[in-house]
Amino acid sequence: EVQLVESGGGLVQPGRSLKLSCAASGFTFSNYYMAWVRQAPKKGLEWVATISTSGSRTYYPDSVKGRFTISRDNAKSSLYLQMNSLKSEDTATYYCARHERDSYARDYWGQGVMVTVSS
Amino acid sequence: DIAITQSPSSVAVSVGETVTLSCKSSQSLLYSENQKDYLGWYQQKPGQTPKPLIYWATNRHTGVPDRFTGSGSGTDFTLIISSVQAEDLADYYCEQYFVYPNTFGAGTKLELK
Repeated sequence: EVQLVESGGGLVQPGRSLKLSCAASGFTFSNYYMAWVRQAPKKGLEWVATISTSGSRTYYPDSVKGRFTISRDNAKSSLYLQMNSLKSEDTATYYCARHERDSYARDYWGQGVMVTVSS
Repeated sequence: DIAITQSPSSVAVSVGETVTLSCKSSQSLLYSENQKDYLGWYQQKPGQTPKPLIYWATNRHTGVPDRFTGSGSGTDFTLIISSVQAEDLADYYCEQYFVYPNTFGAGTKLELK
């Protein structure tokens, strides 16, 4: 059974940093692109970052580029999101998601972890 | 960036009715090499994780009931929910994953009449 379990969320002050983790199991992690998607309270979904199977290619929207870094450790079947210079608008639930190999669709999602940026 | 527009923003239906949700893209999502549209649909119930419903615009993910049907190509897409059940009440999002940045629509809230 595919499982994605996020951790590392919490309350952080504006301008500070936080690192999220996603532990994957039930599939060969190194064979899949992975992504982070977030959802601000009462708002819609926003794609945050994607990483290739080896980690050599990463993609971000302008809203987080230069502040967030996605990475992975295939030996540990783990995905990470390093978030620096956090802003109040980064407050959201952050989901880890897997990209299906052929269709590239996001076929499995974690349960999400809440990040609150506030003084 | 590709803009995704969903309509309506909310719709009220009765159990057993059929409802059509619209998703329009500002650019074509059709990849010429495989003739696939890189458009997905997700269902999100209150307090829950988004659940993938449809990929490549028309293909159901494993386990998705066949009352959910995705159609369309290019820039215009629809999600048809036939014989709506009470458990289908949720927010529905479409997303293009054709190019970066991947973009989602603002969602359609399906409510009970």
